[in-house]
Amino acid sequence: EVQLLESGGGLVQPGGSLRLSCAASGFTFSSYAMSWVRQAPGKGLEWVSSISGSGGALYAASVKGRFTISRDSSKNTLYLEMNSLRAEDTALYYCAKSVVGTLRGMDVWGQGTSVTVSS
Amino acid sequence: QSALTQPASVSGSPGQSITISCTGTSSDVGGYNYVSWYQQHPGKAPKLMIYDVSNRPSGVSNRFSGSKSGNTASLTISGLQAEDEADYYCSSYTSKNTLVFGGGTTLTVL
Repeated sequence: EVQLLESGGGLVQPGGSLRLSCAASGFTFSSYAMSWVRQAPGKGLEWVSSISGSGGALYAASVKGRFTISRDSSKNTLYLEMNSLRAEDTALYYCAKSVVGTLRGMDVWGQGTSVTVSS
Repeated sequence: QSALTQPASVSGSPGQSITISCTGTSSDVGGYNYVSWYQQHPGKAPKLMIYDVSNRPSGVSNRFSGSKSGNTASLTISGLQAEDEADYYCSSYTSKNTLVFGGGTTLTVL
């Protein structure tokens, strides 16, 4: 069964850091681009970052310079390193697998990990 | 990058067809055939319904179809069923090599 399982969320103070992980199973992880998408409470979806199978990274303007996406194919795991966190980064963070290419659609999603930035 | 424009809500009766629009610009929807649609039920993760404007992933009902004309993409759901009641989001690749989502549309099945 194709599955994504996020972890690493929690409560962090403004200016703090957090690293999210996404464990993948049931597919050839290295062959697919992966993404992070977030959803603030009661709000819509917002694309955060994507990484191709070969490691090329893309970022939304709102997180560029603060967040770093990476992947470890030996562990079938996707990461999101988040620094200089702000209140507006508070959201449920989803990990998702691309159906084809990098930004053409995401066909497998995890259940999300919650990040709250507050003092 | 501004969010794509979707109607806040649409509604229809069981068995009817409805269409949700998604309007962008020539730098996103109009410039590329990389529009996707997602269905999200309350408290659940999004589900991919359409990618590359009109392609359905395996397992998605053929009652769901996608199209595009100019800077506006559309999702049509035919033969509405109670289980279709959910939030729907469009997304598009952009000229800045990023992804942008629409604000979301709540579908109510009357």
